Amino acid sequence: QSALTQPASVSGSPGQSITISCTGSSSDVGAFNYVSWYQQHPGKAPKLMIYAVNTRPSGISDRFSGSKSGNTASLTISGLQAEDEADYYCSSHTTSNTRVFGGGTKVSVL
Amino acid sequence: QVQLVESGGGVVQPGGSLILSCAASGFTFNSYAMHWVRQAPGKGLEWVAVRAKDGSHGFVADSVKGRFTMSRDNINNMLFLQMGSLTVEDTGVYYCARDSNAALPDYWGQGTLVTVSS
Repeated sequence: QSALTQPASVSGSPGQSITISCTGSSSDVGAFNYVSWYQQHPGKAPKLMIYAVNTRPSGISDRFSGSKSGNTASLTISGLQAEDEADYYCSSHTTSNTRVFGGGTKVSVL
Repeated sequence: QVQLVESGGGVVQPGGSLILSCAASGFTFNSYAMHWVRQAPGKGLEWVAVRAKDGSHGFVADSVKGRFTMSRDNINNMLFLQMGSLTVEDTGVYYCARDSNAALPDYWGQGTLVTVSS
């Protein structure tokens, strides 16, 4: 199972919006509405930001939103803030009942 | 609140074995599937294994198939990862995580470090 493809880095100024893409295949992202997004600060455990493509867990800011089209999922962060600077990972269920993560995207706030 | 505490990490020689444990609390353990996910130093997340809520079945990543076995004890709310034939590529932080009931992890532990080195 190959990792999902994410851009290595994305940057934006405070207040701007950025979008991180996550490209898979018809065996993972395209097959199910089971895509999650995680935020990870250095030395910390990952934190769930979005699940089931576009659902925010309780307590997650509505500045974070998710979507999917075909084999590509996306995470959008609007109103970018300094605290959003972190690594972000997508993940998907697969048709072989395994799970797969993306390679991760480093978000920088300029 | 949901709490997941991993233990059992350490330094092991190539070819060796190790058993990781994860103590769960703050939720009804037998109502959730559970995952192990690892992260090599400076690298991204890699999914390792999942076990069904009743422990009846599970799946593992191809990279660890035949070497790692995941199990759970629903009486004592514990999760385990038996690791064998370890290589340097197995070095990393190992996280246990609860399934969100949408097939992927929601809550994560703080991780335990496994170092495979001679």
